[in-house]
Amino acid sequence: QQPVQSPQAVILREGEDAVINCSSSKALYSVHWYRQKHGEAPIFLMILLKGGEQKGHDKISASFNEKKQQSSLYLTASQLSYSGTYFCGTEMYSGGGADGLTFGKGTHLIIQP
Amino acid sequence: DGGITQSPKYLFRKEGQNVTLSCEQNLNHDAMYWYRQDPGQGLRLIYYSQIVNDFQKGDIAEGYSVSREKKESFPLTVTSAQKNPTAFYLCASSEAGSSYNEQFFGPGTRLTVL
Repeated sequence: QQPVQSPQAVILREGEDAVINCSSSKALYSVHWYRQKHGEAPIFLMILLKGGEQKGHDKISASFNEKKQQSSLYLTASQLSYSGTYFCGTEMYSGGGADGLTFGKGTHLIIQP
Repeated sequence: DGGITQSPKYLFRKEGQNVTLSCEQNLNHDAMYWYRQDPGQGLRLIYYSQIVNDFQKGDIAEGYSVSREKKESFPLTVTSAQKNPTAFYLCASSEAGSSYNEQFFGPGTRLTVL
C-alpha cells in the first residue's frame, strides 16, 4: 500500500519553513525519509519507529503519529540546499525494512533566494 | 571510501534485447535492493536480497531477474519480457535484520530503450 505524500510540490523563499506529510491507510511500524536531487541518488534523512525511537540528522526534525499512521517532516529556516524531492518510505512490521520500503510519490521542494 | 557503485550511468538498448545493470557495494551490507523510478511515481521495489544466494520479488518483478552470488554484488537483468523498461534504476543496500537501518543508494543507471 503506497503511502500518500502531501503537498505534491511547494515553493519557498529562503528562510521560510515547510512541512511535508506522509500518510498510510495501513498500520505502520516505521517511516523513513529521503531527499533526492534531480538525477542523483536519494540520501537518508530520518527514520521514525513505532514507539517513538528516531534516528537521523541533527538538523532535521520529524514526527510519527501512530494513531493516524502519519509522519511529518519539518524543514525550518530553509536553505537553497534543501531543494529536491522528498520521499517517505514505509514498512508495516518490524524487520520489514529488510524486505524493502514502500515509497510515496514524492514532494517537490523548490527554495528560491 | 565505502559506498555503492552502479554502472553504466546511461544505457541504451534496442527492443528485444536483454541488458544487465551492475551494482557493487563495499559497505559489508547483507541486504541489497533494486528500485525503479519513473517520473511522478516514486521508487518501486523490483527485487531484494537479504543474504547471499537468496532473493525475493518485490512489487514489480515481472520482466526482471537478479542473482546474488557474492555479498558485494547484486546485478539486475532487464529482459525482453519487460514491456516498458525505460526508467531510472537505483540500487541500494543496508544492514539487514532491523528496521533501524537506513538504505544507502547508488548513483543510478538511466536505461533507454530505442
